[in-house]
Amino acid sequence: GNSVTQMEGPVTLSEEAFLTINCTYTATGYPSLFWYVQYPGEGLQLLLKATKADDKGSNKGFEATYRKETTSFHLEKGSVQVSDSAVYFCALLLYNQGGKLIFGQGTELSVKP
Amino acid sequence: DAGITQSPRHKVTETGTPVTLRCHQTENHRYMYWYRQDPGHGLRLIHYSYGVKDTDKGEVSDGYSVSRSKTEDFLLTLESATSSQTSVYFCAIRESGGEETQYFGPGTRLLVL
Repeated sequence: GNSVTQMEGPVTLSEEAFLTINCTYTATGYPSLFWYVQYPGEGLQLLLKATKADDKGSNKGFEATYRKETTSFHLEKGSVQVSDSAVYFCALLLYNQGGKLIFGQGTELSVKP
Repeated sequence: DAGITQSPRHKVTETGTPVTLRCHQTENHRYMYWYRQDPGHGLRLIHYSYGVKDTDKGEVSDGYSVSRSKTEDFLLTLESATSSQTSVYFCAIRESGGEETQYFGPGTRLLVL
């Protein structure tokens, strides 16, 4: 079936550290891939996306590359800030099933000053 | 901001009572979705709509019904609330015309006692 697996959290980093949050997926066809971010007490915000293999999505210093050969979409940032503390969700979009999103379980990131 | 509001934002109810959550959008999007968010599960799709009076089930639809009598409103009803339906509920819209990206409302926190 279709699924998304994220690395387990919580992840705790010091400010200015390098961030990687792993995401792998299983899907039939060619899904689009997304990262959403949820700050405490808020809804989900789209962080970045990629719609085909080898596309790189980027936003606010975050990047992720759609790797078809490894079925991965890992999130990276070169230097995290305290304000990046949030829960990050990887998701895939199934076009042939009403465009629904399949989410990973979320990874909580805590950045300490 | 995709012009999505949800009401109520918080609700406490008792087991066995009916509950209706409302999602309202201002931008005439065709597709609307209801998800629930639970720890360790990410977000899971309950129901979605692809037009007025057109709806379909998601992966966790048992115990829920939906209605869409106007483009701008998508209602989620718990016919007889149970404690297992304590969750945070998010509505989303999907932009189409090439973007195929979903944007989320602020969420409704529901507690069933």
